[in-house]
Amino acid sequence: SYELTQPPSVSVSPGQTARITCSGDALPKQYAYWYQQKPGQAPVLVIYKDSERPSGIPERFSGSSSGTTVTLTISGVQAEDEADYYCQSADSSGTYEVFGGGTKLTVL
Amino acid sequence: QLQLQESGPGLVKPSETLSLTCTVSGGSISSSSYYWGWIRQPPGKGLEWIGSIYYSGSTYYNPSLKSRVTISVDTSKNQFSLKLSSVTAADTAVYYCARRFMGGEHRSGGMDYWGQGTLVTVSS
Repeated sequence: SYELTQPPSVSVSPGQTARITCSGDALPKQYAYWYQQKPGQAPVLVIYKDSERPSGIPERFSGSSSGTTVTLTISGVQAEDEADYYCQSADSSGTYEVFGGGTKLTVL
Repeated sequence: QLQLQESGPGLVKPSETLSLTCTVSGGSISSSSYYWGWIRQPPGKGLEWIGSIYYSGSTYYNPSLKSRVTISVDTSKNQFSLKLSSVTAADTAVYYCARRFMGGEHRSGGMDYWGQGTLVTVSS
């Protein structure tokens, strides 16, 4: 079955830049989406179609894609950004959705 | 503002069938632009896509769950439902419903509206 691979954890100090990667063989063909999830809450979409930002999401959140890896970048990290982040995409046919294992972002 | 709300039993016995309903308000489930999906999250673990349905009834299921999952839609009630049969403790999770917008032909789509989630525990 198709998988997306994320690092389990990333740590940064406030004001620094956090980069969270997501790797998958079908990513050159498929869009990636990123979700932020805080404890006890439903996920929130923060990046769609690799690099687009939904309305209401701060500009410090950005996304990029290169080959089989997509990256979520949070510039000028704030304490409120501490959360779990999940990438999501689909297999090469676009039929079956899949989530990455999630990355816990810790703001030191 | 679109809202989704999951409902159903919070406790299911092993080997029985888990049944949940998602009620959509503030928009029509019959929109041609969206699929509607179920996602689950075991306690302390990551998200797992269960399956999606179009208002016409077309469905796509996670291959690992396909033999046990049925997703249906009731456009007259603006609802869609999940049935998961032969449950075990491994099916204990928070179950979310979500709206999935399309990414394009044969392209992955994303989920822009989520329900708050409902915890379903499988235990005797």
